[in-house]
Amino acid sequence: QKEVEQNSGPLSVPEGAIASLNCTYSDRVSQSFFWYRQYSGKSPELIMSIYSNGDKEDGRFTAQLNKASQYVSLLIRDSQPSDSATYLCAVNGGYQKVTFGTGTKLQVIP
Amino acid sequence: DAMVIQNPRYQVTQFGKPVTLSCSQTLNHNVMYWYQQKSSQAPKLLFHYYDKDFNNEADTPDNFQSRRPNTSFCFLDIRSPGLGDAAMYLCATSRDGQSTDTQYFGPGTRLTVL
Repeated sequence: QKEVEQNSGPLSVPEGAIASLNCTYSDRVSQSFFWYRQYSGKSPELIMSIYSNGDKEDGRFTAQLNKASQYVSLLIRDSQPSDSATYLCAVNGGYQKVTFGTGTKLQVIP
Repeated sequence: DAMVIQNPRYQVTQFGKPVTLSCSQTLNHNVMYWYQQKSSQAPKLLFHYYDKDFNNEADTPDNFQSRRPNTSFCFLDIRSPGLGDAAMYLCATSRDGQSTDTQYFGPGTRLTVL
């Protein structure tokens, strides 16, 4: 069973701080990794994708991938109350299928 | 704007009464997916189409069926909804289903079973 694991949280950070969200996956052949943001009652929205080891930055967001450790993370700098949501880690192992984690709930405290 | 549309946004049905959920896309993507998501859980893939090729997940109950009459539309049929089928149903698309492809989600349909 291919698994994607995340700490369910909630992760509480003060406004302006860095939020660090972590994800581990079990399938070593996984090639692509995605972070989605999901507000309560809404559908997932893509934040970042990463395919190679290392860091990828986009605005306040940085995704980090370490395939040897089967670990992917998302850093949110200068966290805002509007960042409060559940963040889903998703892993694509091929064959047109993506496996999602259960998500980490982030709360940014004003 | 190219997008994924789901109708209705909210659906209420009675126990055992068939229901159909609709998804359409203007992205001209080859792959369309249906997910079920319950509260505080990960989206669970039910099935997907690569063009007209239907791919069912092994643990998807027979109560769930799907149709894709053309590239733009895909339907989810729940033949006899039970209380446990109350959930958010998410439709998603991707261009070719390659490992680097992004999945784009519609707004979802919230299903309530009375």
